[in-house]
Amino acid sequence: QQPVQSPQAVILREGEDAVINCSSSKALYSVHWYRQKHGEAPVFLMILLKGGEQKGHEKISASFNEKKQQSSLYLTASQLSYSGTYFCGTEQDFNKFYFGSGTKLNVKP
Amino acid sequence: NAGVTQTPKFRVLKTGQSMTLLCAQDMNHEYMYWYRQDPGMGLRLIHYSVGEGTTAKGEVPDGYNVSRLKKQNFLLGLESAAPSQTSVYFCASSYSTSGLNTGELFFGEGSRLTVL
Repeated sequence: QQPVQSPQAVILREGEDAVINCSSSKALYSVHWYRQKHGEAPVFLMILLKGGEQKGHEKISASFNEKKQQSSLYLTASQLSYSGTYFCGTEQDFNKFYFGSGTKLNVKP
Repeated sequence: NAGVTQTPKFRVLKTGQSMTLLCAQDMNHEYMYWYRQDPGMGLRLIHYSVGEGTTAKGEVPDGYNVSRLKKQNFLLGLESAAPSQTSVYFCASSYSTSGLNTGELFFGEGSRLTVL
């Protein structure tokens, strides 16, 4: 039931772009994306709903393919502050969230 | 503006001891969750609640019990702690949107539990 995230880790230079993917074997009500810094709690980035509606971060975009139960997070012109571990959370049953194992992003100067 | 508060933040237990983790939220959220986070495993759902007086099992409920007697509080109990329960525990809360979706999850700062 846990969604599958890829890649597991990414190393970028400032200004470079990255894509993080999330795939579920079950139909989804919604997909959430969160970022977690070391030793801190996960912080909300974005929600993607069935039908294409999105809510969230101004500088980060994402897509949600309802038919394939897949979502991708697009990080453009990365900044040092983007470093952290990114998790997708999939709402497979109403109110019930399963998270992927995370993608560790390291942005270097 | 407290948000989601977890207590205690750190705890060391011996095998077989019991303890309770408290999660409190002041946002009047209906839904509350307990996750555990282990290296390389991401966040795994232990139990959750969709309202006062209700609880349900998640992915990894064995060895844990929960209660939601008040809307603002969600308690996670370990009756007989085992070393496999060494982990960081996160509580989260959320609200319902107008449609069939749940709003963003607000996480507490985490509780680090070590079982010796």
